Amino acid sequence: RKEVEQDPGPFNVPEGATVAFNCTYSNSASQSFFWYRQDCRKEPKLLMSVYSSGNEDGRFTAQLNRASQYISLLIRDSKLSDSATYLCVVNMGLDTGRRALTFGSGTRLQVQP
Amino acid sequence: NAGVTQTPKFQVLKTGQSMTLQCAQDMNHEYMSWYRQDPGMGLRLIHYSVGAGITDQGEVPNGYNVSRSTTEDFPLRLLSAAPSQTSVYFCASSYSGGASHNSPLHFGNGTRLTVT
Repeated sequence: RKEVEQDPGPFNVPEGATVAFNCTYSNSASQSFFWYRQDCRKEPKLLMSVYSSGNEDGRFTAQLNRASQYISLLIRDSKLSDSATYLCVVNMGLDTGRRALTFGSGTRLQVQP
Repeated sequence: NAGVTQTPKFQVLKTGQSMTLQCAQDMNHEYMSWYRQDPGMGLRLIHYSVGAGITDQGEVPNGYNVSRSTTEDFPLRLLSAAPSQTSVYFCASSYSGGASHNSPLHFGNGTRLTVT
């Protein structure tokens, strides 16, 4: 079982739709959680952190469910510019460096006009 | 503000050749790291450094060497390239390893390496 698992997609949605991605992680001691966005042939960039109580940033909402060991990302009112791969990133909490951040393989979103 | 600068952007090597991927950051970050990204595998940590003079192995270190003589630079060396090292390589830096909500990883633009 992978340490961080994501549905690779692609998720094809029309503009204006609401779409949600889940990501499961295997280590119950994981301490911090993030969503990164990666455009085609570009570097990953931080989209948002995921806090225990859930958090919003404009059209994006992130949630954490520690009991079931998953995090989610909800995108409302999808825009064409949201088309990208969304990477789930988990800090396994082992130490400050080695394997501290584990990346999922990403979920691809394609928003269509 | 350059951020994280990687060179070269593209490279083709023959099996057995050696080369160095360069990475420099101007944000005074203590933590620097190298990842490789392969289809369906996500980003995997190769080596990392928590400060000048300190390096350690990540998840997939075999075939790669690193050094950290200055805070700004963190080169990745392939001593004898193999086809299995064909990948996209990203250098990343942060204040604290990217594990803090206030200190995300900043990535370079990536190096696309092909080994034939």
